[in-house]
Amino acid sequence: DAGITQSPRHKVTETGTPVTLRCHQTENHRYMYWYRQDPGHGLRLIHYSYGVKDTDKGEVSDGYSVSRSKTEDFLLTLESATSSQTSVYFCAISAGTGSNQPQHFGDGTRLSIL
Amino acid sequence: AQTVTQSQPEMSVQEAETVTLSCTYDTSESDYYLFWYKQPPSRQMILVIRQEAYKQQNATENRFSVNFQKAAKSFSLKISDSQLGDAAMYFCAYRSNTGNQFYFGTGTSLTVIP
Repeated sequence: DAGITQSPRHKVTETGTPVTLRCHQTENHRYMYWYRQDPGHGLRLIHYSYGVKDTDKGEVSDGYSVSRSKTEDFLLTLESATSSQTSVYFCAISAGTGSNQPQHFGDGTRLSIL
Repeated sequence: AQTVTQSQPEMSVQEAETVTLSCTYDTSESDYYLFWYKQPPSRQMILVIRQEAYKQQNATENRFSVNFQKAAKSFSLKISDSQLGDAAMYFCAYRSNTGNQFYFGTGTSLTVIP
């Protein structure tokens, strides 16, 4: 299995508080992604990174920011959490473009915002 | 952005029987990659099978095979000799040969009936 660790695995917090989720990889892959998974929507891309300090927005980026200061770490921050951001969040990594390399996923973080 | 459609939110199959999950996608590109992922109740995302668009031969992995129809933009997954452990949510995914993003369908929940 690909070495991807998400932390925390579960979190409950209150509306308006900041939240940071961490994704750590040991595969030295260039690409890292944050998704949210909600019933009926599948996996939706929030942000992704194609290198240290290189990030781009996905389809549901509003209310989220990311940072990648090291190859192995990709942080997702909810600056002021809202109940609509209650979801399961997945981190994924990929080796690169121009290949049949799939994404490998972490085990997910269940985030509940009350 | 590419669109991936899984038109069957739920499917069921008798143990030991065969089931086919459908997936269609919309793209103007000629070179791309397609994937099927399995998500059991444990929430892990597990790669089942992958297909390169330039290959005419359908991919096979043990009991799992695909029917790739490039002209029709169709990528269905066939599970033979279904087992109880096959019960899961199945996601179809698309990746461009040149892009960094993966596009996922909304998933099909498969129930295996003993």
